[in-house]
Amino acid sequence: QQQVKQSPQSLIVQKGGISIINCAYENTAFDYFPWYQQFPGKGPALLIAIRPDVSEKKEGRFTISFNKSAKQFSLHIMDSQPGDSATYFCAASIRGRDKLIFGTGTRLQVFP
Amino acid sequence: ETGVTQTPRHLVMGMTNKKSLKCEQHLGHNAMYWYKQSAKKPLELMFVYNFKEQTENNSVPSRFSPECPNSSHLFLHLHTLQPEDSALYLCASSQDPRVETEAFFGQGTRLTVV
Repeated sequence: QQQVKQSPQSLIVQKGGISIINCAYENTAFDYFPWYQQFPGKGPALLIAIRPDVSEKKEGRFTISFNKSAKQFSLHIMDSQPGDSATYFCAASIRGRDKLIFGTGTRLQVFP
Repeated sequence: ETGVTQTPRHLVMGMTNKKSLKCEQHLGHNAMYWYKQSAKKPLELMFVYNFKEQTENNSVPSRFSPECPNSSHLFLHLHTLQPEDSALYLCASSQDPRVETEAFFGQGTRLTVV
């Protein structure tokens, strides 16, 4: 119930392509869904987040798509760049509860 | 930098040693967290402190002992660790988890237990 399942584990994309990472959850009480980006040697940093009252949120080349009925959300990276190569984590939490539940991470490699 | 500083960055310790990890946040946040990051596993929440009070202990073995003397500082005291405790230990902080859970992470301490 508390898990967030993330796929794929790793992803290789050519420069300019679209990277898509998917997450699924069970707990319908979750109401905050962030994506974190982690570069080697660094801690994770918030990339973009969404609440379930909207189905899509876009910030630059990064878009979250949210499907409440399917209990799934995904990160799309348009025009992927080598600088996007990092590990991406989805997460979920309940407002008012100080606990983020993270997925297992996706290692993205973007080749020129 | 994120405003969350962790020291040391790397630590190698024997199973009988006692060491401490330190975290300091300069963001004026009220909540601080310890996470464990192991390869191919989700980030595991270990402890949460909210306004200096421990609000979460995620079934962490007693060989890990947290301390939060004030809302800007967080420690993780380590003793008699096992090799499987080798991991990246991340500290994070957030403004007020009752309102928003965005967490700001430090760079982590890479711990190796030999």
